[in-house]
Amino acid sequence: GEKVEQHESTLSVREGDSAVINCTYTDTASSYFPWYKQEAGKSLHFVIDIRSNVDRKQSQRLIVLLDKKAKRFSLHITATQPEDSAIYFCAASMHSNNRIFFGDGTQLVVKP
Amino acid sequence: SVLLYQKPNRDICQSGTSLKIQCVADSQVVSMFWYQQFQEQSLMLMATANEGSEATYESGFTKDKFPISRPNLTFSTLTVNNARPGDSSIYFCSSRDRTGGRAETLYFGSGTRLTVL
Repeated sequence: GEKVEQHESTLSVREGDSAVINCTYTDTASSYFPWYKQEAGKSLHFVIDIRSNVDRKQSQRLIVLLDKKAKRFSLHITATQPEDSAIYFCAASMHSNNRIFFGDGTQLVVKP
Repeated sequence: SVLLYQKPNRDICQSGTSLKIQCVADSQVVSMFWYQQFQEQSLMLMATANEGSEATYESGFTKDKFPISRPNLTFSTLTVNNARPGDSSIYFCSSRDRTGGRAETLYFGSGTRLTVL
């Protein structure tokens, strides 16, 4: 299956700064790239996604960039807040109704 | 969206025993996916379960060790056979909403934290 690598295992930023989490994938057939957030002791929930027909998507303070040539995508969280502290997972899927493979997660800590 | 209810929330079992985890969806879903998570990172896809057919397992996971049933469109069970301390992790069921809208979005159950002594 697809292999997704998440480059930062931990990331610490000051409140108000931006945080960037980078991921790469291996299969050129992957076309759907969601991001999930997991707060301590809780389950995962969806935050944002991007499909391969675009290279940028924004939802409020979240921006996802996709570079298909480099097989790389990233999550940018702007104006970070303490409640953004969590583990963030990137993922990839070959098409929208197939299996989803996750990276190893990035522990984001937003310091006040 | 899809709501997925898992039980038990947590369990402790002895090595060599078996444990069954149940997942119930609040609506009919085509596929249910089971994931294993170690130490709140490293989320691994174990298998895909469709109604009325054998589950499809990913590399490193086998039917003998982790049998999965999918008797209908709202229910699935994962069994951990011959549990070992290395199986201690959190197990999540997940699924996509088949009713339309954001059909790609994967929803997760609350997870089952398993500790094997």
